[in-house]
Amino acid sequence: DTAVSQTPKYLVTQMGNDKSIKCEQNLGHDTMYWYKQDSKKFLKIMFSYNNKELIINETVPNRFSPKSPDKAHLNLHINSLELGDSAVYFCASSQGTGVVYGYTFGSGTRLTVV
Amino acid sequence: AQSVTQPDIHITVSEGASLELRCNYSYGATPYLFWYVQSPGQGLQLLLKYFSGDTLVQGIKGFEAEFKRSQSSFNLRKPSVHWSDAAEYFCAVGAEDSSYKLIFGSGTRLLVRP
Repeated sequence: DTAVSQTPKYLVTQMGNDKSIKCEQNLGHDTMYWYKQDSKKFLKIMFSYNNKELIINETVPNRFSPKSPDKAHLNLHINSLELGDSAVYFCASSQGTGVVYGYTFGSGTRLTVV
Repeated sequence: AQSVTQPDIHITVSEGASLELRCNYSYGATPYLFWYVQSPGQGLQLLLKYFSGDTLVQGIKGFEAEFKRSQSSFNLRKPSVHWSDAAEYFCAVGAEDSSYKLIFGSGTRLLVRP
């Protein structure tokens, strides 16, 4: 019974395409996040939603658009994919403030743009 | 701005030997600190966290970490490493400008010799 699940696990696509990654958590948490992990394993926050409200929006190209239909789901849509978007994208969730409680992570989506 | 430094990109230890992974942080007040582990192809799992109280924190899988304010460090230790501990380890600090954001170090890859 996966706590934070992401789909798909792997995504290979051509430059210029549009793709989405879905995330769902069954922990009852009220905050969800997207992090990007680059080829050097560096993790950087992209977005966060608390109870469907956007609370963190880091310096991310506006080709990336998050959507949270309810507090258990956070999706990431990427338009006009570029080679530099190739990375592992992690969804995470926390109950309340992530700084106090820490995050629960999904297993990641490896995006490869060719 | 706050930051996290993990000075060792990779460390190799023999099975059964002790382990210490270094983490230094830069933060104005008392930080919220975390250690996560990432096994190959997996998401990040929380090992332990600190934000107040006893400076020696116990975590899962036999890990512990010690907060030393004078050295701005939060090093992770394990007295006897098992082959299954081979993974990437990330130190993280709660951001000062957001109670939801964690800032991660660049990770240390642990290799375990039989």
